[in-house]
Amino acid sequence: EVQLVNSGAEVKKPGESLKISCKGSGYSFADYWIGWVRQMPGKGLEWMAIIYPANSNTRYSPSFQGQVTISADKSINTAFLQWSSLKASDTAMYYCARGLERRGDEAFDIWGQGTMVTVSS
Amino acid sequence: EIVMTQSPATLSVSPGERVTLSCRASQSVSSNIAWYQQKPGQAPRLLIYGASTRATAIPARFSGSGSGTEFTLTINSLQSEDLAVYYCQQYNNRPPYSFGQGTKLEIK
Repeated sequence: EVQLVNSGAEVKKPGESLKISCKGSGYSFADYWIGWVRQMPGKGLEWMAIIYPANSNTRYSPSFQGQVTISADKSINTAFLQWSSLKASDTAMYYCARGLERRGDEAFDIWGQGTMVTVSS
Repeated sequence: EIVMTQSPATLSVSPGERVTLSCRASQSVSSNIAWYQQKPGQAPRLLIYGASTRATAIPARFSGSGSGTEFTLTINSLQSEDLAVYYCQQYNNRPPYSFGQGTKLEIK
């Protein structure tokens, strides 16, 4: 079965760092783009960034460039999303998702279950 | 950045009815649009890509159409399990591959 599994929920304080993960299985992880999507409480979906695990090529939304860093380790079939200094406004559900057609500019066909990140003092 | 605008924001319909959801792009995105369904407490699920191609295992009652800047998602013979928020997404040219704000489908 093709699936993505997001890491568990996190509760952090403002200013702390965080790295969440997304592990793929059931397919050739390196060959498909992985994207990250934010969903703030009660709100819609926001496209953040994508990465191609085979060569770690990345593309960011201007809204998230410099605010987060995405990476991938193809040896363990895992992608990462990290913050160096969290803000309360980073409180959201974060989904990873797989690109459908291995192009980068594409829909997401497989989604992880999401990681809830709560930032509160 | 391309802005995707969905209408209506909320739609209340009865089981068995036909439903049409709209999505408009601020500039042409060719046919590079997808539709997703998000049920309460769940991750989104891909329904349609390439404006009109159903994703794997998606029932035939879901169909998509349009090109350029105007797109529609049609659900024929609505079922109670279709209660969800529906999002369009464009993935034309360069990032960000923006989503619409969503249409919430309520079942009467």
